[in-house]
Amino acid sequence: KQEVTQIPAALSVPEGENLVLNCSFTDSAIYNLQWFRQDPGKGLTSLLLIQSSQREQTSGRLNASLDKSSGRSTLYIAASQPGDSATYLCAVLSGNTGKLIFGQGTTLQVKP
Amino acid sequence: KAGVTQTPRYLIKTRGQQVTLSCSPISGHRSVSWYQQTPGQGLQFLFEYFSETQRNKGNFPGRFSGRQFSNSRSEMNVSTLELGDSALYLCASSPRGPTSTDTQYFGPGTRLTVL
Repeated sequence: KQEVTQIPAALSVPEGENLVLNCSFTDSAIYNLQWFRQDPGKGLTSLLLIQSSQREQTSGRLNASLDKSSGRSTLYIAASQPGDSATYLCAVLSGNTGKLIFGQGTTLQVKP
Repeated sequence: KAGVTQTPRYLIKTRGQQVTLSCSPISGHRSVSWYQQTPGQGLQFLFEYFSETQRNKGNFPGRFSGRQFSNSRSEMNVSTLELGDSALYLCASSPRGPTSTDTQYFGPGTRLTVL
């Protein structure tokens, strides 16, 4: 059974700092991995999608890497801003199940 | 292009009642997935519909059901509500579904409170 874990559960950093969020999964047979952002009381916004054959994806200040063999992904946020404050969720699509399995998320606070 | 819309946004029901939630996907998207989000369990997959057919189902009791119409709009129904059904219900749409290279786009969710 696929399990997704995100560490840390919460993170508070000063504005301008570079930071890394971690995601690990137990079954390396994944189809793809997605990073989402969720603001309080809102839906999810997709940030980056990495196919199983890819190693990384970049969008602006965000960079996500994938190491399928070790069951790990990282989301790197450069030059953090207060507007980056949100919960970041990692989700994997296992095999061909059509189910996204989510981690519990990392709640990020960027202080001005 | 309009995003994924969900109605209603907030709902209060009592135990034993039933409820129907609606999701309108982005125009052209044929796949709709439903998720339940609670503080304790996080986000859990309910089911996915594609072209009016349920393709995948999560581990939820039969009280949770859904359907999709020919215009790709989807509804989910929960019968005999329990206190534990209180949650944020999210739907996501994509052109071909999560087993593809497509990004899934989520709606704002329906907040269901069961008293």
